[in-house]
Formats: sequence, C-alpha cells, structure tokens
Amino acid sequence: GAVVSQHPSRVICKSGTSVKIECRSLDFQATTMFWYRQFPKQSLMLMATSNEGSKATYEQGVEKDKFLINHASLTLSTLTVTSAHPEDSSFYICSARPQGNTEAFFGQGTRLTVV
Amino acid sequence: ILNVEQSPQSLHVQEGDSTNFTCSFPSSNFYALHWYRWETAKSPEALFVMTLNGDEKKKGRISATLNTKEGYSYLYIKGSQPEDSATYLCAFPTGGGNKLTFGTGTQLKVEL
Repeated sequence: GAVVSQHPSRVICKSGTSVKIECRSLDFQATTMFWYRQFPKQSLMLMATSNEGSKATYEQGVEKDKFLINHASLTLSTLTVTSAHPEDSSFYICSARPQGNTEAFFGQGTRLTVV
Repeated sequence: ILNVEQSPQSLHVQEGDSTNFTCSFPSSNFYALHWYRWETAKSPEALFVMTLNGDEKKKGRISATLNTKEGYSYLYIKGSQPEDSATYLCAFPTGGGNKLTFGTGTQLKVEL
C-alpha cells in the first residue's frame, strides 16, 4: 500500500513556542491531505483539509491562526501549532488518499506535549 | 454533527475466541463505510471499504458485513490471536467521500 510518513512522532515544547509537524506522501502525489486530532478517549476529529497550492479548509471551531497549514508541494503538508499552550497537547495525525484509491493512508501520528 | 458509534469500547478475549463488534452510522446519504485497524505505535491500516448494502468482505480471519438501510456494520474476527490486539476504527466518509468521520473505536486485547 501507499506510504505516508509523519515527523516527528513525539515532541515536547515550552508554552508559547511553535511546533511544526510534517506529513509526506512517499510514493504518491497528494493534492489533498487531512489533519486530525485525537483527545484522550475520543475519536479522531478532522481539523482541516490541506490543499496543494491553495489555502487549507478548516473545520468549524478550529482556529486557522493557531493551526497553520502549508501544502507547498504534492508530497508535503505541514501543520504548525503556533504559540502552543498546554491545552494544545494532543495527538495529531495526517492522512492522504492516492487518486483512484478509496482508502486513506495515515502517518504514524505526533504526540505533542506542551509544558 | 454526524454520529458514528462503535461498541463495545473495549474487549478482552482469550486466544482462539471469535469476536465481533459494531459500528453504527447515519443511514441517509450513505457513501461508504471504512474499517481500520490501529496497532499501538503504528499508522492506522485500512481493512475494508464497504459500499453495497448486504456486502460482506473478508481478509484472512477478519470479515465485515454492511447494512446500509439500518445503518450498521459488523466486524468479525475468527479464532483471535494476540497479534489481532489493536483498536478497530470505523469511519464514515462525507464531503464527497474525502472527509472521514471516525467512531471512537473498539480496543481489542487478545490474551494467551
């Protein structure tokens, strides 16, 4: 199957700093990638749809200035958590779907802890 | 807000037991239903994408059925093995099939 790589897998940062998470499609091109967040004991919640060469589409309630998404190439989307606070501590995971595929492929996820 | 529910939340079985769990979803505007297996420290892995009412799909000891009219899907594991231990997620596509709304998952632990 297709491979999506996400980095870093784990990051601890100080409150007020920014953290960048990368999501790469290794063996296919992805015009669209998806960013999810998971709170403890809850399901994966879609945060935003990352669109290559254009602005991301954010889900209701997700602050676009807090969660900056850049999709500058067909194989890379980045999510930057700006001015992180402890409440941003969570598990973030990306996915992409090769054209013509019905299933999505996921990265390994990033565990963010803001102290 | 779409409601995709899974039950049970967690399940402990003995090696060799067969087990099943449920995903319920809105029966209107059905597009497809996805099942994923998510092992600890790995990426979620697609098991099945189901589209037709009455569909039954199988992959080894794992199979799934679909009832779109009543809005549920069952996932069955026959003769559970420790390597089947994982969280099983179902997801309901919306937004033209691109966005996935996930259930909370069923966490399966298979003990020796």
